[in-house]
Amino acid sequence: SQTIHQWPATLVQPVGSPLSLECTVEGTSNPNLYWYRQAAGRGLQLLFYSVGIGQISSEVPQNLSASRPQDRQFILSSKKLLLSDSGFYLCAWSETSGLRRRTYEQYFGPGTRLTVT
Amino acid sequence: AQSVTQLGSHVSVSEGALVLLRCNYSSSVPPYLFWYVQYPNQGLQLLLKYTSAATLVKGINGFEAEFKKSETSFHLTKPSAHMSDAAEYFCAVSEGARGGADGLTFGKGTHLIIQP
Repeated sequence: SQTIHQWPATLVQPVGSPLSLECTVEGTSNPNLYWYRQAAGRGLQLLFYSVGIGQISSEVPQNLSASRPQDRQFILSSKKLLLSDSGFYLCAWSETSGLRRRTYEQYFGPGTRLTVT
Repeated sequence: AQSVTQLGSHVSVSEGALVLLRCNYSSSVPPYLFWYVQYPNQGLQLLLKYTSAATLVKGINGFEAEFKKSETSFHLTKPSAHMSDAAEYFCAVSEGARGGADGLTFGKGTHLIIQP
């Protein structure tokens, strides 16, 4: 079965410090990968998605960047954190097109709670 | 373009009462529809999905949802609420391949409160 991991689970960082959040997926190949941010009391904001190694699409211009160095690894980074970067960061994966009919659901990791002080 | 509207940011029901969470969607093609649940400080868990088979979809934890094309709705119900159902619920829509790899559009969520 497939599993998705995120770390760290919680992080407290000062303003201006760098950031690296990691997401890995097991049990599937060539997944679509996604980074979302969830601010307090608000819905999900799609930040980045990736359809393959080195292929990143950004949904919202911001202080963050993403990379996909390996098929099942997705990294969210920042060179200098802002207070507004605080939130709950969720990684998700979905199947890509193949022989089996897709149903387009996404599967989410446990999340990382980031507090910028 | 696809969109989702969840009516009511907060819904409060008594334990044992019917749970009804409303979701209306907009899609230019037959949609794929989903309900997710999120417990505090956790990721989203897929409750159920509609993929153009049966219009009444049964999910985990006793939840079900009915796809009504004429009303563009996909409301989530549970006959009898349990204290453990207290959580945030998200409705989501996908236009499938037409929507591209970034396919899912989420509603803003409904916080379900269970009164003892």
